[in-house]
Amino acid sequence: RKEVEQDPGPFNVPEGATVAFNCTYSNSASQSFFWYRQDCRKEPKLLMSVYSSGNEDGRFTAQLNRASQYISLLIRDSKLSDSATYLCVVNESYEKLTFGTGTRLTIIP
Amino acid sequence: DAGITQSPRHKVTETGTPVTLRCHQTENHRYMYWYRQDPGHGLRLIHYSYGVKDTDKGEVSDGYSVSRSKTEDFLLTLESATSSQTSVYFCAISTGQIITNYGYTFGSGTRLTVV
Repeated sequence: RKEVEQDPGPFNVPEGATVAFNCTYSNSASQSFFWYRQDCRKEPKLLMSVYSSGNEDGRFTAQLNRASQYISLLIRDSKLSDSATYLCVVNESYEKLTFGTGTRLTIIP
Repeated sequence: DAGITQSPRHKVTETGTPVTLRCHQTENHRYMYWYRQDPGHGLRLIHYSYGVKDTDKGEVSDGYSVSRSKTEDFLLTLESATSSQTSVYFCAISTGQIITNYGYTFGSGTRLTVV
């Protein structure tokens, strides 16, 4: 079983819609959680950290469910510029992060 | 800006030749990482370093070696390149005091093709 699992998509969503991704992780001892965004042929960039109580950053909301070991990302009022691959990231140990394979999102005009 | 650069950005090499990729950072961060990214596999850790001359293996370390003789430079070497090592290679640094609290910052990547 992979340590971090994501639905690879693609998700094709009309502009202005709300879209949500889930990600499950296997290590119950994990303490740090992130969502990264990766544009085509570019490096991954940190989108947001995920906190236990849930957190928002503009149109983006991240949630953590420790009991079920999943994290989620909600994007409201989606923009064309949101088209990218979204990577779920969980700490494997004190020193290392483990990356999911990513969910590809395309926003359709 | 974390100041992390990778070189070269693109490289084509022949099977069996040695290849060295360089990662350079300007801010004296202790932890540095080398990942490869392939379709269907995502980012996989090759090696990482927690200080000068201190390195450890990741999940896909076979066929790769690393060196860190200075804080700012982390080198990845393919001793004898194979076609299976065709990939995009990313270097990353951990910029936070607590390693995994702040995530990583990535370099722009090196596209390596082994023919």
